[in-house]
Amino acid sequence: IAGITQAPTSQILAAGRRMTLRCTQDMRHNAMYWYRQDLGLGLRLIHYSNTAGTTGKGEVPDGYSVSRANTDDFPLTLASAVPSQTSVYFCASSRQSGGTYNEQFFGPGTRLTVL
Amino acid sequence: QKEVEQDPGPLSVPEGAIVSLNCTYSNSAFQYFMWYRQYSRKGPELLMYTYSSGNKEDGRFTAQVDKSSKYISLFIRDSQPSDSATYLCAMSPFIQGAQKLVFGQGTRLTINP
Repeated sequence: IAGITQAPTSQILAAGRRMTLRCTQDMRHNAMYWYRQDLGLGLRLIHYSNTAGTTGKGEVPDGYSVSRANTDDFPLTLASAVPSQTSVYFCASSRQSGGTYNEQFFGPGTRLTVL
Repeated sequence: QKEVEQDPGPLSVPEGAIVSLNCTYSNSAFQYFMWYRQYSRKGPELLMYTYSSGNKEDGRFTAQVDKSSKYISLFIRDSQPSDSATYLCAMSPFIQGAQKLVFGQGTRLTINP
């Protein structure tokens, strides 16, 4: 039906506030990912999850946490937002099958501004 | 220095031109090479992927990988205004578990009618 949905679409947040970005996929993919996209830096991996119940750190994990209670949902939490976390956040998922390549599908993104 | 370098452009060409987009990388462990296309205010979508060295063609698009030079390219023939987007190269090493992609900065491409 929808693939990957993200919420909210955009958000303006005061520094120091807690924020959870939501991500849901309906493709029954094992692996899920969170990236941030900043001008001049491309996409950078924040956290990932191989399968429900497991998570791992990516390139830029500081200030973020994730959980993977079930296959479909992979929320990203900013415990105390700072202005440097202003970015566009993309959730992605992929089927995971051993050591072969599987396409990563991306959600529409969440634009977050921290003031 | 970033593991993957990509000229951010912007690049502007007339309709029908051949476009060449390139990335260089430093990590010799990269085995999988991808090109994503991203329209404004949308998520990236996979255009092509290549495993190891060689060429791959899909319609007007050709991807090339030269592992000896640590250099990958995407060629677009007979470019169309609908090809106007940001193109991102991405790479990963041998996959064990989740596929952790490393992206270039993205090249913003405009095809002028």
